[in-house]
Amino acid sequence: ILNVEQSPQSLHVQEGDSTNFTCSFPSSNFYALHWYRWETAKSPEALFVMTLNGDEKKKGRISATLNTKEGYSYLYIKGSQPEDSATYLCASAGGTSYGKLTFGQGTILTVHP
Amino acid sequence: DTGVSQNPRHKITKRGQNVTFRCDPISEHNRLYWYRQTLGQGPEFLTYFQNEAQLEKSRLLSDRFSAERPKGSFSTLEIQRTEQGDSAMYLCASSYGVGQGINQPQHFGDGTRLSIL
Repeated sequence: ILNVEQSPQSLHVQEGDSTNFTCSFPSSNFYALHWYRWETAKSPEALFVMTLNGDEKKKGRISATLNTKEGYSYLYIKGSQPEDSATYLCASAGGTSYGKLTFGQGTILTVHP
Repeated sequence: DTGVSQNPRHKITKRGQNVTFRCDPISEHNRLYWYRQTLGQGPEFLTYFQNEAQLEKSRLLSDRFSAERPKGSFSTLEIQRTEQGDSAMYLCASSYGVGQGINQPQHFGDGTRLSIL
């Protein structure tokens, strides 16, 4: 994998459903994997920064896992609420550059009441 | 902590004009990043400063783009002779970091949306 890829591109769920997204990234020269939430008309907000293989992080109903050997991360949302509706971005830090993040195209989540 | 501030929020200009955007990072942050985001895509890296030094510039950035961070505080991004393809959201982010790598979250501003007529 040369780029950071996210799936699905968009997701519609009902309030109360649990959901998860995938982020695939280059596993060579890995340094860190970031997750951000970007709500409409607001600025992207950091959720997690993960560095170690097997890392699991949790923030309220949102959690994330990391597999650096195979180059993927999962983001889970338990009991989705309408306020969780946003674009979820992952970004990889590493490769040949230590000064930038390479973002995926994002997963657009819509939670219907 | 007032967050990262970007001005203006919106800029509409005619093709061929020059535009300049400003970013005020969180005061204690030594690193500052510029990204560009177009519809349906994630933010794309443009350039990065550590204090006043511009350490990296994307190969995608043409000679029409220039960025400065005098005195290691605020930063400006200038686009000369704008083209329709420059229409995008320009995001600024800041963080505090030492050494190589990025293991601290970046704090983003609200962005400047540029529209070229």
